[in-house]
Amino acid sequence: QKEVEQDPGPLSVPEGAIVSLNCTYSNSAFQYFMWYRQYSRKGPELLMYTYSSGNKEDGRFTAQVDKSSKYISLFIRDSQPSDSATYLCAMTSREGAQKLVFGQGTRLTINP
Amino acid sequence: ETGVTQSPTHLIKTRGQQVTLRCSSQSGHNTVSWYQQALGQGPQFIFQYYREEENGRGNFPPRFSGLQFPNYSSELNVNALELDDSALYLCASSLAGVEKLFFGSGTQLSVL
Repeated sequence: QKEVEQDPGPLSVPEGAIVSLNCTYSNSAFQYFMWYRQYSRKGPELLMYTYSSGNKEDGRFTAQVDKSSKYISLFIRDSQPSDSATYLCAMTSREGAQKLVFGQGTRLTINP
Repeated sequence: ETGVTQSPTHLIKTRGQQVTLRCSSQSGHNTVSWYQQALGQGPQFIFQYYREEENGRGNFPPRFSGLQFPNYSSELNVNALELDDSALYLCASSLAGVEKLFFGSGTQLSVL
């Protein structure tokens, strides 16, 4: 079993829809949770960064962390065609190196 | 502020050869990490460097090695290339103790 599970999709939604992306994890030591956006043949771009449980909002993006369920989510409101990309969840503990453990990534397409 | 830059962008090698990939950290960052991303997968942690020393390593064989220089730039060296080494190699920089990592655009390595 992988430490971080993420549905690879692909996920296709119409423009303006609310998108929900999710990851589950098994390592209870994870404390820092991130969402990265990756366009084709580019490096991942940090979108959201959350410490421990709770919600964080930044513009159209909301990240949620539920440590009791080992479940994290990213919501995108008023989705735009420019949001079409692969979304990667990542997480790490405070122990040792800043080793991020990534999910497989969900490929998202927003249709005009 | 200068972002993370990697060179070259693309590289083609044959099995058994050696390769060196280069990375310049984001201005002010003192820690550099390397990740391997196979097609359709999330990035996997190779190792991290801090103060010119390896500060954590993932599940990669010793033929993957690295260096960090006094200006915090870094190299990834891979010896005895195998077909499965074909992947996007990502460099990420950060500040020690801060779990936010910022990635470069990567080097696409093809091993024939």
